[in-house]
Formats: sequence, C-alpha cells, structure tokens
Amino acid sequence: KAGVTQTPRYLIKTRGQQVTLSCSPISGHRSVSWYQQTPGQGLQFLFEYFSETQRNKGNFPGRFSGRQFSNSRSEMNVSTLELGDSALYLCASSLGLQGARKNIQYFGAGTRLSVL
Amino acid sequence: AQTVTQSQPEMSVQEAETVTLSCTYDTSESDYYLFWYKQPPSRQMILVIRQEAYKQQNATENRFSVNFQKAAKSFSLKISDSQLGDAAMYFCAYRSANRDDKIIFGKGTRLHILP
Repeated sequence: KAGVTQTPRYLIKTRGQQVTLSCSPISGHRSVSWYQQTPGQGLQFLFEYFSETQRNKGNFPGRFSGRQFSNSRSEMNVSTLELGDSALYLCASSLGLQGARKNIQYFGAGTRLSVL
Repeated sequence: AQTVTQSQPEMSVQEAETVTLSCTYDTSESDYYLFWYKQPPSRQMILVIRQEAYKQQNATENRFSVNFQKAAKSFSLKISDSQLGDAAMYFCAYRSANRDDKIIFGKGTRLHILP
C-alpha cells in the first residue's frame, strides 16, 4: 500500500509569488491535515480537510488556503509569499472518522519551501 | 487550549544504553491520545508509539516503552538498547479523542547516539 505522497519535495520561490503544494493520501483515507514546520515555531497545524470540507483551521493568515478533491487528494496554496513562509510543509492522512480509536495519522516526507 | 512541552532540546546516549525522553502536557479533556513521533534526517515523520488516555497500562513497542502518568500529565519515552538508527528528532504529541485530527506537537528532542 502506497504511503502519503507529497509533491514537489523541494521548491524555491521569491517573495510575492504564490505556490501550490500537493498531497496524495493513503488509499481509503478521507482526512488530510497540513502542518508547517520551522526551527523557531516547531510544528504548527494549518488545517484539516475531510470529504472535501475544511473541518478545522489553525491560526494562520488568509494567505494560506487549501482544498480537497473528491479522490481525497489535497492541495495547499500560499499566496503573496513572505520570507517567513520558508518551512517544511508536512501533510498527514487518516481515515478521519471523528473519535475513532483507530484514527492514526500517517505523514508524508514533506515539501521544503524556500522563499528568497 | 492544550499544550505539549518537551524540556530537553537535545540528548545523547551511548549505543546499547537506555535513554528516557521527557514530555508533559496540559489539557482539560479526559479522553485523548498521546504519541511519540520520530523524524530522522529523511524528514519522514514516523509514529513510534501511541497511548490512549483511558488505558492505564503503559504502551510498549519492542525497544520503545512509555511511562504514562495521567494525573501528573506526564508522558515519557524510554528507548532500550539504543541503536545508531534511533538518532533522530523525537516529538511528543497530543490529539483529542472527541474531535478532529488536529495534533499538537511539542518542540522536539534531538537524540544523538554515540557509538
């Protein structure tokens, strides 16, 4: 069974540009969550999508957005990039059933975004 | 709001020895999950061990075990017979059992294995 796949692995952008990151969950998983990892702030929750609907959102500006498609694949978009957006962006997938005890999240290898 | 605190930014242990990583958390919920994740240089976040708050018995996975003290809100990870492949960043994490999939992570502990 294939794991969580994130593309691209590396990305270099300049300030002001926008970027789209992709995450393909494990087959059968309906929930995709996104996290930003930086040396200073650690791992911070961005948002979670379940069945094409945003179910939860972290404390990030509106420049960060996402969506989920009917096949559960998810994309994350960051507009008007700032230097501080340089980070490792991780996505995680799970069955997504609320309260389910078998709802284990599996992570992808991340996309390293560098903003110059 | 829930918080997770790892007070040891870095630790070192001799190969084949035992090491314990500390973690404390704060929550007003009674039902939740606690995790230890490992992130090696490859960046892939790997689940090491999981503890359900309603279970009093400490979870174990081969060389990895936890000491879960619910009243003290403490959740430490013990690695026995440390191996070079255990070198990584270790994150303690919390997730509510009653809501969505949001995980709250600690800042991490970088573990070095000395040959």
